[in-house]
Amino acid sequence: SQQGEEDPQALSIQEGENATMNCSYKTSINNLQWYRQNSGRGLVHLILIRSNEREKHSGRLRVTLDTSKKSSSLLITASRAADTASYFCATDAMEYGNKLVFGAGTILRVKS
Amino acid sequence: SAVISQKPSRDICQRGTSLTIQCQVDSQVTMMFWYRQQPGQSLTLIATANQGSEATYESGFVIDKFPISRPNLTFSTLTVSNMSPEDSSIYLCSVEGGPRTDTQYFGPGTRLTVL
Repeated sequence: SQQGEEDPQALSIQEGENATMNCSYKTSINNLQWYRQNSGRGLVHLILIRSNEREKHSGRLRVTLDTSKKSSSLLITASRAADTASYFCATDAMEYGNKLVFGAGTILRVKS
Repeated sequence: SAVISQKPSRDICQRGTSLTIQCQVDSQVTMMFWYRQQPGQSLTLIATANQGSEATYESGFVIDKFPISRPNLTFSTLTVSNMSPEDSSIYLCSVEGGPRTDTQYFGPGTRLTVL
């Protein structure tokens, strides 16, 4: 079964608001990565967080990792219309041969 | 990060034909991967393209249907053979390698529609 599951499936917010997306997984991981995909195009790498890290920041993005709960969250602050995209988490786990396994994704719509 | 290009960016094909997708990277990389993204779905790994040896396929994917070539460290091709409408998907290549080897970088994808 799929390693990563995300919620919500879809999220609609107003420009300027914060958006939080969650990812849960099932096995011990080496790292967890977040990606953005605009309108069926290629994936853009956002952040990689390692299993021994708890929080990372990159601009308006904040990622947390709770290995005890096997979950991660992606927070986008002060959202913009250009943040409208699908967001995927992907886990790198020894159990899966160190290959990336993607979650189902969250569709974010930011209304201006 | 690596710059990856794919050709074609999109195509519409007839049932029973084959399409070869090319993936070019601007630097030498150790690992290259091919993924499929069916409409409205997440990404599924098809295979790992190994330089100098046969690709390693994931469960549910076979070489006869998805032959892969990897002639050098910057280039790979994926062929979708004997296509059916169920093969309509976005096909993406990705690479791992470079200073931050845990990170995978993705190409822009090839949107395939099979009629």
